[in-house]
Amino acid sequence: GAVVSQHPSRVICKSGTSVKIECRSLDFQATTMFWYRQFPKQSLMLMATSNEGSKATYEQGVEKDKFLINHASLTLSTLTVTSAHPEDSSFYICSAQPGTGAYEQYFGPGTRLTVT
Amino acid sequence: SQQGEEDPQALSIQEGENATMNCSYKTSINNLQWYRQNSGRGLVHLILIRSNEREKHSGRLRVTLDTSKKSSSLLITASRAADTASYFCATDFYNQGGKLIFGQGTELSVKP
Repeated sequence: GAVVSQHPSRVICKSGTSVKIECRSLDFQATTMFWYRQFPKQSLMLMATSNEGSKATYEQGVEKDKFLINHASLTLSTLTVTSAHPEDSSFYICSAQPGTGAYEQYFGPGTRLTVT
Repeated sequence: SQQGEEDPQALSIQEGENATMNCSYKTSINNLQWYRQNSGRGLVHLILIRSNEREKHSGRLRVTLDTSKKSSSLLITASRAADTASYFCATDFYNQGGKLIFGQGTELSVKP
């Protein structure tokens, strides 16, 4: 149980285009999902906290107009990178937290974004 | 910054040896967790230790927590080549909705 999927696993896009990454909790409902980015050989940096049915809370320094987050259902959150630039190339990882009051998070396998 | 620090940044050992990684953090925590990440892959949860716990075991893993020093250690005993990965600690805080702040990570290489 507690499986989180991400789609796509890899994506290459051209500068200026937008790309959407999906994060799904497959066998549980997630009232809260988190989005992280990770540069090569670095740690995970929290980008935003996504709560179902409400606006995401972004961490300091993360542009909310560039990284659009939608958490439309209890099993799906999406991250859209708008007007992508090469510096947005990174590994994006989501996690989902069951709405049971516990603080366990279950991580997706990540999405490798390359902007050319 | 609330982000934790880990040391060493890189650790290379022989199979069969023990590996110890340390994590320090700056503010009071709710829980501390350790994760493993193989290159280019997602995170695998290893162990969670609560702020009122001092030590926890899971198989070959032993985690300690010293809240007075704001530090934790992860010990992997009798290491195997398959333990080669990056290891991260992550802390969550009271009234922060469970969001995790990750340490910088330790890159462990276990040579056969």
